[in-house]
Amino acid sequence: KNEVEQSPQNLTAQEGEFITINCSYSVGISALHWLQQHPGGGIVSLFMLSSGKKKHGRLIATINIQEKHSSLHITASHPRDSAVYICAVVYGATNKLIFGTGTLLAVQP
Amino acid sequence: NAGVTQTPKFQVLKTGQSMTLQCAQDMNHEYMSWYRQDPGMGLRLIHYSVGAGITDQGEVPNGYNVSRSTTEDFPLRLLSAAPSQTSVYFCASSFLQGNQPQHFGDGTRLSIL
Repeated sequence: KNEVEQSPQNLTAQEGEFITINCSYSVGISALHWLQQHPGGGIVSLFMLSSGKKKHGRLIATINIQEKHSSLHITASHPRDSAVYICAVVYGATNKLIFGTGTLLAVQP
Repeated sequence: NAGVTQTPKFQVLKTGQSMTLQCAQDMNHEYMSWYRQDPGMGLRLIHYSVGAGITDQGEVPNGYNVSRSTTEDFPLRLLSAAPSQTSVYFCASSFLQGNQPQHFGDGTRLSIL
């Protein structure tokens, strides 16, 4: 069993829909990252969370440390949101990351 | 401010050849790391460094060497390339203290024939 599990693995949405991507983990962590990767592209950090909730534009990330679960929400989705969204948890004293396998999101116009 | 710069972006090698993937950052980050990304798998840590002169192995270190002679540079060396090392390689950096955002390079797509 992977230490970081994401669901769903693939997601297709219509433009304007509200999207939720989930991340569950089984190890003790100090923080959690949500990352975005466009096809053939580099990786961009969206959020880093250690508790509660963060919002940036149409993106919202939440984390529940007790339940070992985080969600990434996209409101009013747009085709430019199409990308792979990756959850990564920080463990240990040296910033080591464990990555989920990613969620491939396609937003259709 | 260039961030994290990886070179080359693409490379094709023959089995047995050696090469060095370059990674440089201009943000004075202590922590630097190398990952490989393979289809159906999450990024996996190859090697990491917490400062100049200090390196350590990650999850999949076999077949790779690193060194950290300066804060800015963290090259990854493939000693004798194998087809199993065909992958996309990402370098990342961050400050070490506390929980810090990770900055990734654009990746190097490496094919071993």
